Amino acid sequence: DVKVTQSSRYLVKRTGEKVFLECVQDMDHENMFWYRQDPGLGLRLIYFSYDVKMKEKGDIPEGYSVSREKKERFSLILESASTNQTSMYLCASSTETGVTNEQYFGPGTRLTVT
Amino acid sequence: RKEVEQDPGPFNVPEGATVAFNCTYSNSASQSFFWYRQDCRKEPKLLMSVYSSGNEDGRFTAQLNRASQYISLLIRDSKLSDSATYLCVVNSSGRNTGNQFYFGTGTSLTVIP
Repeated sequence: DVKVTQSSRYLVKRTGEKVFLECVQDMDHENMFWYRQDPGLGLRLIYFSYDVKMKEKGDIPEGYSVSREKKERFSLILESASTNQTSMYLCASSTETGVTNEQYFGPGTRLTVT
Repeated sequence: RKEVEQDPGPFNVPEGATVAFNCTYSNSASQSFFWYRQDCRKEPKLLMSVYSSGNEDGRFTAQLNRASQYISLLIRDSKLSDSATYLCVVNSSGRNTGNQFYFGTGTSLTVIP
């Protein structure tokens, strides 16, 4: 079974704080993704990575950065948290090859910025 | 135009009913198609992949029409446990860009006793 874990289920931070969200997958997947999910907007891609040290901007990268130093770990960084970054953050991974290349999601981190 | 569009619902149906969800996608080069299920305050989980020939898994049937860029999900004999949000997902792979997944905003289903 693929397992994707995220460092926190719930997080409360203050405006201006630097926030780190960690994601780890145990299936040696090449691709990893960070999304945020907001009511009525669905999942929106923030950043993705298709290899170690590689990163690509998604649809809404502003205010975020990422790090992928090891294949199994993909970190999302909020350099200076703002209230409009209050959201559910979902990490996912997928393999590059295979007949079915579906994404596997972590349990999510519900971040509140006050 | 959004990459993936689906009717947000909500769909409220009685137990035992048949319900169908539809989804359209804009990129004709899309390669893989999925339906995910998301329960309240949980992560999305794969319900089924969608193949060109159509596929069935128990009470669930998925269809793909590449010409119309249209995907559907049919649920027969609805159960209370089917209540969830159903996400239509389309995947496109580009050289040197890995897999990119595009999500619809989800269709909410509530099955009523």
